[in-house]
Amino acid sequence: GIQVEQSPPDLILQEGANSTLRCNFSDSVNNLQWFHQNPWGQLINLFYIPSGTKQNGRLSATTVATERYSLLYISSSQTTDSGVYFCAVDDAGGTSYGKLTFGQGTILTVHP
Amino acid sequence: NAGVTQTPKFQVLKTGQSMTLQCAQDMNHEYMSWYRQDPGMGLRLIHYSVGAGITDQGEVPNGYNVSRSTTEDFPLRLLSAAPSQTSVYFCASSYSSWTGGNSPLHFGNGTRLTVT
Repeated sequence: GIQVEQSPPDLILQEGANSTLRCNFSDSVNNLQWFHQNPWGQLINLFYIPSGTKQNGRLSATTVATERYSLLYISSSQTTDSGVYFCAVDDAGGTSYGKLTFGQGTILTVHP
Repeated sequence: NAGVTQTPKFQVLKTGQSMTLQCAQDMNHEYMSWYRQDPGMGLRLIHYSVGAGITDQGEVPNGYNVSRSTTEDFPLRLLSAAPSQTSVYFCASSYSSWTGGNSPLHFGNGTRLTVT
C-alpha cells in the first residue's frame, strides 16, 4: 500500500515563529488531508487538498501531486497550535470512501 | 449540531470480555469508518462502511466486528478483548460528493480503551 512519511517528527517553536511541515507519499493520490490533534486528543480537519494551495487564516497548505509531497505552513504560531499534525492520503481511483492512510505525525510544541 | 458522537469516552475491560463502542453521526454522511491510534503508529483503519448494510475490512480488522443497519450508526464490537487492543479508537464520517470526489473526514472525540 501507499507509504506516508512526515517530517520533522518533532518541532519546538517560540510563539510568533513560522514553521513548515512536510508530507511525502509514495504513490499518486486522489485524497490528501491534514489534521490537527490537540492536546485533548481531538482530531480536527484542517485541509482537504489533493492538489494546489489553500489558506485558512494563519495556516496554508500546498500539495504538489506530481512530485508526491504536501506542505503545511503555520505562520505566527500560537500556543494553541501545539499538538500533533497528521497527513493522510488515499491512492484509490476516484472516491476513497473515508479510507485514509495516515503518516506518523509531527509533534509541534509552541512555547509562550 | 453534534457531528460524530462516540460513547463511552473511557473503558476498562478484562481479557476475554466483549463490548461495543458506539458511534453516531447526524450529518447524513454515507461513509463511516473506525480507526485505532497507538503511540508512534499514527491512525490505522479497522473497518469502514459506504452505506447502510455495506461494510468492509481495513488494515487491522482482526478481533473486531462491525455492522451498519442505519445511516447514522456504526458500532464497533470487540468479541473477546485482548491486551493488544488497548488503544484509542476513533470513528469518522464523510459524505459522497456529487461530483464523484472525496470530502473532508470528520472525527469523533475518541474512546480510550484499556484491556487488562
